[in-house]
Amino acid sequence: GAGVSQSPRYKVAKRGQDVALRCDPISGHVSLFWYQQALGQGPEFLTYFQNEAQLDKSGLPSDRFFAERPEGSVSTLKIQRTQQEDSAVYLCASSISGGNTIYFGEGSWLTVV
Amino acid sequence: KQEVTQIPAALSVPEGENLVLNCSFTDSAIYNLQWFRQDPGKGLTSLLLIQSSQREQTSGRLNASLDKSSGRSTLYIAASQPGDSATYLCACGGSNYKLTFGKGTLLTVNP
Repeated sequence: GAGVSQSPRYKVAKRGQDVALRCDPISGHVSLFWYQQALGQGPEFLTYFQNEAQLDKSGLPSDRFFAERPEGSVSTLKIQRTQQEDSAVYLCASSISGGNTIYFGEGSWLTVV
Repeated sequence: KQEVTQIPAALSVPEGENLVLNCSFTDSAIYNLQWFRQDPGKGLTSLLLIQSSQREQTSGRLNASLDKSSGRSTLYIAASQPGDSATYLCACGGSNYKLTFGKGTLLTVNP
């Protein structure tokens, strides 16, 4: 597609449930990022991939969060045993390479009840 | 740790007015600085990207400046229109190209 695509757009999970969020970056984009945005805040960095290599995961809040990009294109962010504080918008972004213009998807809105 | 502050938090102006949004950052060792626009319920749209060696970038009615030594950037919007109403976010690019965002300025342009 023409832009970064994320699915699902909206997810309601019961506390303790595992969720998986998918990101399809722009074709050919080497760099892929995940950000978390709480209501009324700016996005916060979670993790960064260059092709299939996860070069920075310093922003992942806990070991319940895991991200992968096994073939260097589609990426999945997995959250295990969801907690209420995980409720946020999860934004995926890609760029042709690091330091260039970054393109965001519309986000996956996660609500944990 | 990089900290990005945006002032004002909200701004309401009449259509046609020129306006300036401010962004300040604590660590001048940035790779680049980007301004984004976010509409309600949507993702972010990149408006302007200024590399660390540059002083400003222009696109249409938008002009962004960067002063690394003072840790400041401004976004100037000329002849504002109701369609410019959105949240504007400033972000500094650091190591591993990670962006550190401010909380944004909510702009409302009244017809």
